[in-house]
Amino acid sequence: EAQVTQNPRYLITVTGKKLTVTCSQNMNHEYMSWYRQDPGLGLRQIYYSMNVEVTDKGDVPEGYKVSRKEKRNFPLILESPSPNQTSLYFCASSGTAAYEQYFGPGTRLTVT
Amino acid sequence: GEDVEQSLFLSVREGDSSVINCTYTDSSSTYLYWYKQEPGAGLQLLTYIFSNMDMKQDQRLTVLLNKKDKHLSLRIADTQTGDSAIYFCAESIRDSSASKIIFGSGTRLSIRP
Repeated sequence: EAQVTQNPRYLITVTGKKLTVTCSQNMNHEYMSWYRQDPGLGLRQIYYSMNVEVTDKGDVPEGYKVSRKEKRNFPLILESPSPNQTSLYFCASSGTAAYEQYFGPGTRLTVT
Repeated sequence: GEDVEQSLFLSVREGDSSVINCTYTDSSSTYLYWYKQEPGAGLQLLTYIFSNMDMKQDQRLTVLLNKKDKHLSLRIADTQTGDSAIYFCAESIRDSSASKIIFGSGTRLSIRP
């Protein structure tokens, strides 16, 4: 089954404790992206990757890192999480940036 | 800059038509999309329209595009309780470096009996 998986689905952590949210897709897509969803703000892009070893900042990259060592995986790293990073995070992939994006189920992160 | 705007809420009676509106600012859009997000789930593509089209119909869904006014709408005929969700408008644009998709803030559609 074609899908985008994210782990964990829910995470509660404390300020400053490094964490990684994993994202994996099995559709051989070149383009992958991370978004955060906040009430009234819709989806804002954090980082995206056009292909392996190619990543770029989206609209709200501060406080986040990503890597793309393999085509299927695109982890999101929060080196020192802060409460303003409490949000719902979505990973997405597509054949190219302009085409239909397939979304993962979301990761709800709470930073206390 | 690039921006996609939608109203936050819409309430309609079951069986009526729902019309969700969206405006965008970037005239270089290639595709415009409507995504649906059900509670606790990720977004799923409902339908899309090429920027050189005016209208697209797919069963109960009708998409209208007015390029001059940069206005996109989604009409859902015979709205059912299963249509309750958040609907996101999105445009794909290409700038000097890359293509990307810009999402609106989403319109929460609620259905009343």
